[in-house]
Amino acid sequence: DAGVIQSPRHEVTEMGQEVTLRCKPISGHNSLFWYRQTMMRGLELLIYFNNNVPIDDSGMPEDRFSAKMPNASFSTLKIQPSEPRDSAVYFCASSVGTGIDTQYFGPGTRLTVL
Amino acid sequence: GDSVTQMEGPVTLSEEAFLTINCTYTATGYPSLFWYVQYPGEGLQLLLKATKADDKGSNKGFEATYRKETTSFHLEKGSVQVSDSAVYFCALTTGFQKLVFGTGTRLLVSP
Repeated sequence: DAGVIQSPRHEVTEMGQEVTLRCKPISGHNSLFWYRQTMMRGLELLIYFNNNVPIDDSGMPEDRFSAKMPNASFSTLKIQPSEPRDSAVYFCASSVGTGIDTQYFGPGTRLTVL
Repeated sequence: GDSVTQMEGPVTLSEEAFLTINCTYTATGYPSLFWYVQYPGEGLQLLLKATKADDKGSNKGFEATYRKETTSFHLEKGSVQVSDSAVYFCALTTGFQKLVFGTGTRLLVSP
């Protein structure tokens, strides 16, 4: 059974460029989460969706960040324009439903903005 | 707001030593508590969880007991192995899907 799939695994880009990170949640899971991990700030929840609808985006750092979930099997996190301080590992996670269901994490995308 | 505090790492142990990683929390409601583990180059995996006071979560020899009176959820293992080397995250949720993580504690186990 496939887990959460993220692509690309590594992304190196230059400041000012648009970056798109992709996530495929586990089939049958209704909730999807985007996290960012840095040494300075640890793990931060950026946004989460339930049944493809954004529920809480209070963790999105600024307008340069946007996330979409057009269907139950795909989500994107876009940064435009990217800045060096966006360099981090971005994780996608999914869970079956609401409440305290276990979140299953993808392997992450390591983003480096030069 | 809700928060989780973990002991600073790294924790360095020899194989077969006893492990304790401390975790305390602050929450306005009645949280569920989790330990996640992150192996090098991988995403986080759920290690164990407890949903109410006095519950004990356990998995792969690791245990943690939900102590409401001390607002703690310390992780323990009686005999660590080199393969346990990883970063361990304590986390909580009050039921609205938002996991709040601690800063993580790196464990290094030497042969």
